[in-house]
Amino acid sequence: EPEVTQTPSHQVTQMGQEVILRCVPISNHLYFYWYRQILGQKVEFLVSFYNNEISEKSEIFDDQFSVERPDGSNFTLKIRSTKLEDSAMYFCASSEGDRLNTEAFFGQGTRLTVV
Amino acid sequence: DQQVKQNSPSLSVQEGRISILNCDYTNSMFDYFLWYKKYPAEGPTFLISISSIKDKNEDGRFTVFLNKSAKHLSLHIVPSQPGDSAVYFCAASGWYSGAGSYQLTFGKGTKLSVIP
Repeated sequence: EPEVTQTPSHQVTQMGQEVILRCVPISNHLYFYWYRQILGQKVEFLVSFYNNEISEKSEIFDDQFSVERPDGSNFTLKIRSTKLEDSAMYFCASSEGDRLNTEAFFGQGTRLTVV
Repeated sequence: DQQVKQNSPSLSVQEGRISILNCDYTNSMFDYFLWYKKYPAEGPTFLISISSIKDKNEDGRFTVFLNKSAKHLSLHIVPSQPGDSAVYFCAASGWYSGAGSYQLTFGKGTKLSVIP
């Protein structure tokens, strides 16, 4: 069964450093997303990406964040200068379409720890 | 501002009985609702969904009911099995900006424990 894969599973970084979280969406999917879940809190939407551009982003997704699809398979989330409060599980997701009858498939997540 | 609320953080049910997980929403623009199941150290896994034009959707042991007037939906699992023990997230989407995105708004989740 096709799945969304994320690497690394766990990333520890020092405050102020840049991190890149990587995702390989399901191959025939066209829409890509990043979500995050701070420990004990709900899963929060960060950004959606379609046709090589951001289609929607939340307030959390400020100038420190960027996304890229550098080739035909990878979808990355970059945090330029990490803060302690960026520590969370980051989930990548992809979907075939953008609306009804298409659900998002999630990766297993990357646990980011900022120290 | 919690647009999707799951007021019960946890629920314990005996194996074989019915599990009922509840979810309330406030945004009338939501028109598609989903339930995701999440095991520890894994990402959310899609379980079942319902469009706002329906009031019920059934898939095997899982049934989702939608009451639009009350802005309430529920997930019924019958019969409950120990393998159903997980965190269940209610999620909703709506046409926010016409940008063609599928932004999901999640509730905080309900941890279901099915006792053998």
